[in-house]
Amino acid sequence: DTGVSQDPRHKITKRGQNVTFRCDPISEHNRLYWYRQTLGQGPEFLTYFQNEAQLEKSRLLSDRFSAERPKGSFSTLEIQRTEQGDSAMYLCASSPRTDRVEQYFGPGTRLTVT
Amino acid sequence: DQQVKQNSPSLSVQEGRISILNCDYTNSMFDYFLWYKKYPAEGPTFLISISSIKDKNEDGRFTVFLNKSAKHLSLHIVPSQPGDSAVYFCAAIGGGGADGLTFGKGTHLIIQP
Repeated sequence: DTGVSQDPRHKITKRGQNVTFRCDPISEHNRLYWYRQTLGQGPEFLTYFQNEAQLEKSRLLSDRFSAERPKGSFSTLEIQRTEQGDSAMYLCASSPRTDRVEQYFGPGTRLTVT
Repeated sequence: DQQVKQNSPSLSVQEGRISILNCDYTNSMFDYFLWYKKYPAEGPTFLISISSIKDKNEDGRFTVFLNKSAKHLSLHIVPSQPGDSAVYFCAAIGGGGADGLTFGKGTHLIIQP
């Protein structure tokens, strides 16, 4: 299967701990996106990379959140000092090139902060 | 302020009939609209898109209609099949395709046998 993969699929952590999620996009997709989805809502955009450059950040991405895509391939999303309000599904998507608008999503990482 | 609205949280349709899912938007700068389908415990799956310069796009059983003057789009599924039961999200994207998608809250489509 050559779809977008995310690891882990589930994460339970205690408030105040740091967590890191990984996303592997579809091979040769140079655009990578992170979204957050809470219950009853659609996904909300967090940040976007073209190759290794982080080009856009949503105001939802507080200072406790940081994302990287060091070699333009996989990406990591780290949340420091987690809060209960960070509990959500974190989705990663990738997109092939500038003339295509569709984004292909991974299965997501469900974070529960206790 | 929600820029993409799906006002029907759920919709029940009989198998074989037409399913019509609706979406309204407020931002006239959006230049592409997309529909995604989501099953539980999976990420959204892309279905179909439409450029803002078109009024219709068709792909197999799925057709999307865009009414720019009304800032309204709809997804038609004909004929509806049991596997179509899922949550459907309407999404929009701004100029250049570089921005993140703006999603509605979704409509849960239930296909009745």
